[in-house]
Amino acid sequence: DQQVKQNSPSLSVQEGRISILNCDYTNSMFDYFLWYKKYPAEGPTFLISISSIKDKNEDGRFTVFLNKSAKHLSLHIVPSQPGDSAVYFCAARATDSWGKFQFGAGTQVVVTP
Amino acid sequence: DTEVTQTPKHLVMGMTNKKSLKCEQHMGHRAMYWYKQKAKKPPELMFVYSYEKLSINESVPSRFSPECPNSSLLNLHLHALQPEDSALYLCASSPTSDTQYFGPGTRLTVL
Repeated sequence: DQQVKQNSPSLSVQEGRISILNCDYTNSMFDYFLWYKKYPAEGPTFLISISSIKDKNEDGRFTVFLNKSAKHLSLHIVPSQPGDSAVYFCAARATDSWGKFQFGAGTQVVVTP
Repeated sequence: DTEVTQTPKHLVMGMTNKKSLKCEQHMGHRAMYWYKQKAKKPPELMFVYSYEKLSINESVPSRFSPECPNSSLLNLHLHALQPEDSALYLCASSPTSDTQYFGPGTRLTVL
């Protein structure tokens, strides 16, 4: 049972514009969320996190928004750069699941010139 | 040192071979993880070690055997694997139960 869903397998965005990646979850016990970026043949690189006590976290060009009532989070990348072309995974962990993150299927982002 | 290293980068093995994957971190993280990732799929958790003790085994077949000799090192011993075990094997570490930092992975091919 997939508890973390990224329903858009791919996203194409022009350089300089905003990329918005979405992630939905079903488990109301999830209290900590991560976004990772992955290039081919490399391990995922941590981008940004958010705890359920917040609804927004910002780090440079990356902002994550959490809507707990909708069980939805999104990652905004502004402005998008060619180096942002990668697969992005969201991951979530439940309060009582130490160390066990569930990952979404990923969204392939392509930033075009 | 702020990275997780994994060796080898690539491994090809036959179904009767015994091999080991190695993962190392020197960030003082007390939790270490093994994940398996198939192409175009998310990483799947296999094992979690906390303070050098196995705390989670996600019903992984016994042909995969993890070992944590010390707080910096995590091994995954492989024996009698099947072709469907071919995947990218990722190691991660974390200071607490929160953010996990991944290594580059070992690309395993089982013939």
